[in-house]
Amino acid sequence: KNEVEQSPQNLTAQEGEFITINCSYSVGISALHWLQQHPGGGIVSLFMLSSGKKKHGRLIATINIQEKHSSLHITASHPRDSAVYICAVNARQLTFGSGTQLTVLP
Amino acid sequence: DSGVTQTPKHLITATGQRVTLRCSPRSGDLSVYWYQQSLDQGLQFLIQYYNGEERAKGNILERFSAQQFPDLHSELNLSSLELGDSALYFCASSELAGGPSEQFFGPGTRLTVL
Repeated sequence: KNEVEQSPQNLTAQEGEFITINCSYSVGISALHWLQQHPGGGIVSLFMLSSGKKKHGRLIATINIQEKHSSLHITASHPRDSAVYICAVNARQLTFGSGTQLTVLP
Repeated sequence: DSGVTQTPKHLITATGQRVTLRCSPRSGDLSVYWYQQSLDQGLQFLIQYYNGEERAKGNILERFSAQQFPDLHSELNLSSLELGDSALYFCASSELAGGPSEQFFGPGTRLTVL
């Protein structure tokens, strides 16, 4: 079993929809990261969380340490949000989930 | 633009060859991390350097080595290349040596081994 599991693997949404991507992990962590990988390959750090909730624009990330679970929400999704979203946890080192491919259709 | 630079952007080489990938961290960042992203394995941590010293080691093959120089740039050396080494190689940098800190990723080097 992978230490970091993401769901869904693929997600297609219509523009304007509310999107949720989930991440569960099985190890003790000091922080959890949400990353965005663009079609060209570049990786951008969206959030680093160790508790609670963070918001940046239309993106919201939450974490429940007791349940070992985090969610990334995108409100009012837009085609430019189409990317791979990757959850990563700081355990002994940064360990990555397999990513969620999000496609937002106009 | 993260402030992290990587060269070259693309590299095509043959099996058995040796290549060097270069990374310059963000100004002020002392930690450099190397990651490999392949289609079958996803993103994997290879190695971390902090201020010139190896800090942590992940799934790095013995054929691979890295170093961080006094000006803080880092190089990842891949030798005796195999087809399976074809992947995207990212470096990232952060301020801290350990503990959770935001990492800033470079644009990656796409290595193709033929």
